[in-house]
Amino acid sequence: DTEVTQTPKHLVMGMTNKKSLKCEQHMGHRAMYWYKQKAKKPPELMFVYSYEKLSINESVPSRFSPECPNSSLLNLHLHALQPEDSALYLCASSQIRDHQPQHFGDGTRLSIL
Amino acid sequence: GQQVMQIPQYQHVQEGEDFTTYCNSSTTLSNIQWYKQRPGGHPVFLIQLVKSGEVKKQKRLTFQFGEAKKNSSLHITATQTTDVGTYFCADAFSGGYNKLIFGAGTRLAVHP
Repeated sequence: DTEVTQTPKHLVMGMTNKKSLKCEQHMGHRAMYWYKQKAKKPPELMFVYSYEKLSINESVPSRFSPECPNSSLLNLHLHALQPEDSALYLCASSQIRDHQPQHFGDGTRLSIL
Repeated sequence: GQQVMQIPQYQHVQEGEDFTTYCNSSTTLSNIQWYKQRPGGHPVFLIQLVKSGEVKKQKRLTFQFGEAKKNSSLHITATQTTDVGTYFCADAFSGGYNKLIFGAGTRLAVHP
């Protein structure tokens, strides 16, 4: 069982749709992350939030918009995505201290038509 | 930018055989974390190595960090079918949160 919960598990959307991915953790972690993972590839970091503030944006296109409404929740708002954005989107969290492991959710498998 | 190379890309073994995956960098690694991702699953943290020359064991798994902190390895003794999955090393940059730079991963298949 994972301690990081992501919804939905699967999402199919058209290129003109707007949708949101949600991530929740109750481990008291103050660092949260979004990753994108294509098939047979490693996870690629997209965004890092620490203390609910955006710390890192890895040059992600503006059609991906992250939001951290509180210390337990992380959202990823999607708009006007492209077919190449189809991937597994993973959320992770960790403590705000050096050398801490990241705890990953099961991910949302996103397909863009 | 920082790159972490990992070999082999794929390893196919018979159950009971040993398995090793190697992680290398041209620059000094901050600290190494190892993750396992089962098919259809998510990465799960296995261990982290921080000190030069460090060796850690978890049952049949042995993790090493090179003396120069530029390489690391994961060795599994007597593989089992439950070991199937992709093993990733990741350079973990400190600074409060850990920014992970993942290696490409080694996909392990174990045949009974």
